[in-house]
Amino acid sequence: SQTIHQWPATLVQPVGSPLSLECTVEGTSNPNLYWYRQAAGRGLQLLFYSVGIGQISSEVPQNLSASRPQDRQFILSSKKLLLSDSGFYLCAWSLGTVGETQYFGPGTRLLVL
Amino acid sequence: AQSVTQPDIHITVSEGASLELRCNYSYGATPYLFWYVQSPGQGLQLLLKYFSGDTLVQGIKGFEAEFKRSQSSFNLRKPSVHWSDAAEYFCAVGAGSSYKLIFGSGTRLLVRP
Repeated sequence: SQTIHQWPATLVQPVGSPLSLECTVEGTSNPNLYWYRQAAGRGLQLLFYSVGIGQISSEVPQNLSASRPQDRQFILSSKKLLLSDSGFYLCAWSLGTVGETQYFGPGTRLLVL
Repeated sequence: AQSVTQPDIHITVSEGASLELRCNYSYGATPYLFWYVQSPGQGLQLLLKYFSGDTLVQGIKGFEAEFKRSQSSFNLRKPSVHWSDAAEYFCAVGAGSSYKLIFGSGTRLLVRP
């Protein structure tokens, strides 16, 4: 069966520091991968998605970037964090077919102080 | 462009009472429709999905949803709510040739003992 991991689970970072969040998927090959952000009391905002190694689509221009160095690894990064980057970050995967279900990881809670 | 509306931000029901959470979507053709549930501090879990065929869809945990094309709705129902159902519920739509899902802003369900 497929599993999706995210780490760290919780992170507290000062403003201006770098960020690296990691997401890995097991049990499937060539998945689509997604990064979402969920601000407190808000819905899900799609940040990036990837249909293959090195292929990244950005949905919202902002302070963040994403990379996919391996088939089942998806990384969310920032060079300098802003207060507004605080939130709950969710990674998800799906099969590479339109309309497929997305399966979510446990999330990373980021607090920028 | 596709959109999803969940008109109820909060809903409170008594344990054992029936539940209906509303979801309306905007899309010209038949969409792919999903309901997810999120417990506090957790990722999202798929409850059920509709792609085609029978408009009444059964999901996990005793939930069901009905697709009504004429009303552009996909409401989630449960005949008898349990205290463990307290969580946030998200409706999502996928459509066309896109891999992306568009999420509603969520409905928080509170259950009175």
